[in-house]
Amino acid sequence: DGGITQSPKYLFRKEGQNVTLSCEQNLNHDAMYWYRQDPGQGLRLIYYSQIVNDFQKGDIAEGYSVSREKKESFPLTVTSAQKNPTAFYLCASHYTGVGQPQHFGDGTRLSIL
Amino acid sequence: KNEVEQSPQNLTAQEGEFITINCSYSVGISALHWLQQHPGGGIVSLFMLSSGKKKHGRLIATINIQEKHSSLHITASHPRDSAVYICAVGGGGSQGNLIFGKGTKLSVKP
Repeated sequence: DGGITQSPKYLFRKEGQNVTLSCEQNLNHDAMYWYRQDPGQGLRLIYYSQIVNDFQKGDIAEGYSVSREKKESFPLTVTSAQKNPTAFYLCASHYTGVGQPQHFGDGTRLSIL
Repeated sequence: KNEVEQSPQNLTAQEGEFITINCSYSVGISALHWLQQHPGGGIVSLFMLSSGKKKHGRLIATINIQEKHSSLHITASHPRDSAVYICAVGGGGSQGNLIFGKGTKLSVKP
């Protein structure tokens, strides 16, 4: 079955470390997104990519970086510059074009040790 | 003021009850999405609406573009419907740039 795979499900980071969250999709979707979810808040867009080798900053991109070297992969790196990285991170994707719903992964919960 | 407001924030119902969750938005949109987030965190897309009404099983979603309001109804609710229901709106440009509500946490008791 096609879908979006995020790994790991739980991730712990020491202060000052960079960590990379994986997002892989086998849906042949063009567009991919990273969202951050904090308790009591709606999802907020970190980065998105509509095509391979191209990506744009979302509303809260500071302290994060991404790459899109392959269509099926959109890894997110949480750098040490992100001052409050503890959150739930969701990856999503969809076909481009009108009327295409988004598909979401199961998320990665990042915590600071 | 948030651009997407959901009500109620929390909802507890008895099994079998009819449930309504509301979503109001203040921006122009091309589509409105209803999403379901289970306790493990994964999100499933339930509906994408640009006008009128859609039905899938016991779920019904309606939208009134003039009033900038949408409702999600669940008929004959069941404990497995317990989840967080999220409303999100998409405007012009990339449809993936959604604005999300904070969600409504639904708990259905047997």
